[in-house]
Amino acid sequence: SQQGEEDPQALSIQEGENATMNCSYKTSINNLQWYRQNSGRGLVHLILIRSNEREKHSGRLRVTLDTSKKSSSLLITASRAADTASYFCATDAYTGNQFYFGTGTSLTVIP
Amino acid sequence: GAVVSQHPSRVICKSGTSVKIECRSLDFQATTMFWYRQFPKQSLMLMATSNEGSKATYEQGVEKDKFLINHASLTLSTLTVTSAHPEDSSFYICSARAFGTQYFGPGTRLTVL
Repeated sequence: SQQGEEDPQALSIQEGENATMNCSYKTSINNLQWYRQNSGRGLVHLILIRSNEREKHSGRLRVTLDTSKKSSSLLITASRAADTASYFCATDAYTGNQFYFGTGTSLTVIP
Repeated sequence: GAVVSQHPSRVICKSGTSVKIECRSLDFQATTMFWYRQFPKQSLMLMATSNEGSKATYEQGVEKDKFLINHASLTLSTLTVTSAHPEDSSFYICSARAFGTQYFGPGTRLTVL
């Protein structure tokens, strides 16, 4: 399987705290993307980081990418209850068109 | 950004029937579309790559005779779950590649009774 892995599988924090999720993948990539999914709903695209980038910011989101370790992290600062969702990384492989998702992190932000 | 739609958004059917799910790219043409399946509390698993005008490419372990894919035009791919069974109940999501990345449909929830 080319599916990546994420940790932790589940994370529960208090509102206002920061949340960090990690993603590891297996193949060479063009880019890596992070998505959010609320329970039973579709995917919401959060941020894309290209293979030649090391860090990217978008609002309260900060993503890092280490291609030598084949890993990425997503940091959500000053979390809110509305951030409660599952978060997935997805890799856009260097060869082929396929997109492979990580196993996901379920984040719960307690008000 | 590009928009991908799916229809229906929800379907309930009896065991043994076939169900067709449509995936459309609304404002762009997509020579390649992808179908994913997501079981409750799990990640999205790529099922197959749909290529316009040619046969789909299936991931290992996905039965091509069970999940029929037709990519008849540059804006439409269909997934037909044949002789559906309760274990096929899942959330099916399609995506289309455009502008260097993939855009996802809102998903179709299939429940087989």
